[in-house]
Amino acid sequence: GNSVTQMEGPVTLSEEAFLTINCTYTATGYPSLFWYVQYPGEGLQLLLKATKADDKGSNKGFEATYRKETTSFHLEKGSVQVSDSAVYFCALSFQKLVFGTGTRLLVSP
Amino acid sequence: GAGVSQSPSNKVTEKGKDVELRCDPISGHTALYWYRQSLGQGLEFLIYFQGNSAPDKSGLPSDRFSAERTGGSVSTLTIQRTQQEDSAVYLCASRAGTGNQPQHFGDGTRLSIL
Repeated sequence: GNSVTQMEGPVTLSEEAFLTINCTYTATGYPSLFWYVQYPGEGLQLLLKATKADDKGSNKGFEATYRKETTSFHLEKGSVQVSDSAVYFCALSFQKLVFGTGTRLLVSP
Repeated sequence: GAGVSQSPSNKVTEKGKDVELRCDPISGHTALYWYRQSLGQGLEFLIYFQGNSAPDKSGLPSDRFSAERTGGSVSTLTIQRTQQEDSAVYLCASRAGTGNQPQHFGDGTRLSIL
C-alpha cells in the first residue's frame, strides 16, 4: 500500500540554523506530495505542495523538491525562526491523504 | 471566503453515548474528508465524499462509525456507543477539483470519552 516515512523528532535547532526534515514515500504510481504544518494549539495548514516529478514547492522560505528517483520530498529552510516551531507532516495523495507520523521542530532563540 | 468550519470544537461524553460531529466545507468544494488524529495512531483517513459518488468508507474503524453528506455540502460524522479508544481529534477537510489539489482543514473537534 501507499505509505510515508519521515524522520523522528524532535528536531532541535537554534534560530538561523539550516533545517532539513527527511520524507520518503512508497506508492503505486505518482502521487501529489504535500507538507502540512501544525502550530501549537492550531489546526493543519498547507505549507507547500508538488504534483509531479522535479516540481519544487515553496512557501515562507520552506522548499521541497519532488524526487521520483529517490521517492523523496525532503523539507528544507535556510534559516529557521522561533516562530517555525511546530509539527510538520509529509503526505501523499491520489485522492485521500496518507500522512507520515509528523516531525516536531523546536527552534530556540 | 470562510474556511472549513467544524462544531463543536470540544466534546466530552460518557462511554456508550452517541455523538455527532459537524463539518461545513468551503463553499464550492466538491470533495469532503474526515480524518482522525490521535497520539497512538497519528493522522488516519476515515471517509471521503466526492460529489454524488458513493463515499469511500474504507478508513472507518468499525460499524459504530458512519457519516453523511447532505446536499453536497454539510457533513455529519456519527459515532455510536462510544468507547474510550474513540477519544481523538476529528478533522474535516475539503478540496476543490481533482486529487492533486490540496485539502483544507478545519480546526477539528476534540472528542473525549470518559
